[in-house]
Amino acid sequence: DIQMTQSPSSLSASVGDRVTITCRASQSISTWLAWYQQKPGKAPKLLIYKASTLESGVPSRFSGSGSGTEFTLTISSLQPDDFAIYYCQQYNTYSKTFGPGTRVDI
Amino acid sequence: QLQLQESGPGLVKSSETLSLTCNVSGASITTLNYYWGWIRQTPGKGLEWIGSVYYTGSTYFNPSLKSRVTISVDASKTQFSLKLKSVTAADTALYYCVRDRGTTVTPSLYYGMDVWGQGTTVTVS
Repeated sequence: DIQMTQSPSSLSASVGDRVTITCRASQSISTWLAWYQQKPGKAPKLLIYKASTLESGVPSRFSGSGSGTEFTLTISSLQPDDFAIYYCQQYNTYSKTFGPGTRVDI
Repeated sequence: QLQLQESGPGLVKSSETLSLTCNVSGASITTLNYYWGWIRQTPGKGLEWIGSVYYTGSTYFNPSLKSRVTISVDASKTQFSLKLKSVTAADTALYYCVRDRGTTVTPSLYYGMDVWGQGTTVTVS
C-alpha cells in the first residue's frame, strides 16, 4: 500500500497569507495526485487532479505542484472561504488512498 | 445538475450486512467513462475509498475491504448500491457516494471524484 503523509497537520493563517501544504507519498506516484477541500459538515470538494490541473470552477489562487513523492498545494492569498481541511489523494495504484489532512484555521 | 443522495439504515448490528443506496439525479448513470463509488470517513482512519462500479457492472475495490464488499448498479433506477458484510464497530463511519471520473486502473485517464453525496452516518452496534 502507498502511504500518504501531510504536513503540517494544522496551521493558523490570516486572510491574505500565502499558504503551502505538503503531501508526501511512500513511493513514487508520478503526478497521480488529487487535492480536496472539506468544510465542517460538508463532503470533500475536488480542487486539483493530476498534481497541478485545476478543477473547473476552482479559484486560481489554488495551485498544485510536484511529482514523484513530494507535492504541494498552495493558496496564494488566503480568503475567508478557504478555512477548511485539505486532503491529498494518490491514485497511482489500483487502490486510491488519502492523506490524513491539513486543517487551515484562522 | 448532477446530485447524489445516499440512503439506508443508520444503525446496523455487528456481524450483519450494511446496505446503502445512492440515488443519481441530473445525469445518466450510463455516461461513458464515469464510475460510481463509495468513500467512508472516520475520525480515526480519515477518508477511505471502498470501491467503484461502472454502469456495465464492472467493479474494483479497496483490497483491504474486497472480501466483504459488493457494489452494484441499477441503471434503470439510476441507483447504485453498497453492501458490506460481517460488519464490526470499525465499520462505523460517515459513508459518501461519489462520481469517479475514470478508473485508477489507468491513472492517466483518471480525473478525480468530482461529485459527492451529502453523506450518511452508519453506526454498527
